[in-house]
Amino acid sequence: KNEVEQSPQNLTAQEGEFITINCSYSVGISALHWLQQHPGGGIVSLFMLSSGKKKHGRLIATINIQEKHSSLHITASHPRDSAVYICAAEGGSEKLVFGKGTKLTVNP
Amino acid sequence: DAGITQSPRHKVTETGTPVTLRCHQTENHRYMYWYRQDPGHGLRLIHYSYGVKDTDKGEVSDGYSVSRSKTEDFLLTLESATSSQTSVYFCAIGTATNYGYTFGSGTRLTVV
Repeated sequence: KNEVEQSPQNLTAQEGEFITINCSYSVGISALHWLQQHPGGGIVSLFMLSSGKKKHGRLIATINIQEKHSSLHITASHPRDSAVYICAAEGGSEKLVFGKGTKLTVNP
Repeated sequence: DAGITQSPRHKVTETGTPVTLRCHQTENHRYMYWYRQDPGHGLRLIHYSYGVKDTDKGEVSDGYSVSRSKTEDFLLTLESATSSQTSVYFCAIGTATNYGYTFGSGTRLTVV
C-alpha cells in the first residue's frame, strides 16, 4: 500500500514569502496530485503531475520520480493562499492515496 | 464546480437509522468515488464505481454500501448509522486520463 507523507503539517508565513510544501510517497505511481481545501471545505485540484514541473500563476509543482518526492511552491504568498494543501498519489488502479494535508496560514 | 453536486449538504441523524447521501454529476465520467474526511486522517476511500452497476470497496467500506444505477448518480448508504460515521463525506469524479479530479462540496454528517 502506498504511504503518502506531507511536511510540514502546519506552516505560518508572512505575506510575500516563498513557500514550499513537501510530499513523499513510498511506491511507484502514475500521477501525483496537489489539491487545495479552503476553510468551509471545498476541495479544488491544483495540479496533476507525472514528471517534471508545472506552473500556474504563483504556484509551481515539481516531482522527482526517482526520489518519490514532490514539492508545491507558492511565490509571493498572499493571505488568500491560506488553506490546507493536500497531495495525493495515484497508482495504476486509478485510486488516490492522500496525505494528511499541510495547513498554510499567510499573515498580512 | 457545477458538474458535480452532493446532497444533502448537512445532516444530523440518530444512531441506528439508515442514511443515504447522493452524488450527481453532469460530466458523464465513468469513475466516481466516495471519501470520508476526518481530523488527523487524510481523505479515505469508502467505495468507488467504474461504471453503471460496477462498484468496489475502498479502505474504509465497513458499514457502507453504494449503488450506481445511472452514470450520473452514485449513492452512498449508511445501513445503520453509528457515531463513528460522523464525518465529512466527499464525492469525486475523474480518471487518470483527465487533468485531475473534481470534488463535490461535501456533506457534513453528524450521528447522535
